[in-house]
Amino acid sequence: QVQLQESGPGLVKPSQTLSLTCTVSDDSIDINSYYWSWFRQPSGRGLEWIGRFYPGGSTNYNTSLKSRLTISADPSKNQFSLSLSSVTAADTAVYYCAREVPSAYYFDFWGQGTLVTVSS
Amino acid sequence: DIQMTQSPSSLSASVGDRVTITCRASQTINTYLNWYQQKPGRAPKVLIYTASTLQTGVPSRFSGSGSGTDFTLTISSLQPEDFATYYCQQSYFTPYTFGQGTKLEIK
Repeated sequence: QVQLQESGPGLVKPSQTLSLTCTVSDDSIDINSYYWSWFRQPSGRGLEWIGRFYPGGSTNYNTSLKSRLTISADPSKNQFSLSLSSVTAADTAVYYCAREVPSAYYFDFWGQGTLVTVSS
Repeated sequence: DIQMTQSPSSLSASVGDRVTITCRASQTINTYLNWYQQKPGRAPKVLIYTASTLQTGVPSRFSGSGSGTDFTLTISSLQPEDFATYYCQQSYFTPYTFGQGTKLEIK
C-alpha cells in the first residue's frame, strides 16, 4: 500500500520560506502512472489545492500562490517538495501531500498532514 | 477559477437516516467531481470519483450522481462512523477547487 509522509519545520518566521518534503513509499514518483500534489487546510477551514508535479518534471500551480511557489522532485529519493516564499500568518495551515490518479483525476492516497505555523 | 458550492454547510441526522449533500459548480465540469470524507485530525479520504464511481473499499451505502454543474452525495443509511465533514472537489480544470464542506453531526 502506498504511503506518503510530509516532513519539515513546524514553525516558520514571517517573510521567510516554508519548505516541506513528501516521501513516497511503495510507489515511484518517476513512473508515468500518477501525479503528485500538495494541499493545505487552515485550522477549521476547507481544503486548498496548492499544485502538482508530473513525472518528467512538469508542474501546475494554483494561480493564487504561483508567484511564491516552487514544487520540485528528487526521484532518487522518491520525494517531492514544496517551497513557499514570503510567508505570512495566512499561510499557517496543515499541509498535505497526495497521489492523483490520472484520467480520473482524483486523490487516492494522502499523507497524514503536517502543521506549519507562521509566527515570529 | 471554478467555484464549488456545497449545501447544507452543516447537517444533523440520526443513525439510520438517509442523507443527501449537494454540490454546485460555477460552470460545467462534466463528471469531473469527487467526494471526500474527512474526520478531525485526519487526511481526507476519497469516497466517490468521477461523480458516481465508488472507490474500492468504500461501503455501498455511499453513492454519487450528477453531471454538468449539479451533483449529489447520498448516504443511504447513516452509520456512527459516517459523522464527519464531506467535501466535493472538481478536477475539470486546474486549479482544482473544493466546496466549503458539509459537517454531518449526530442529532
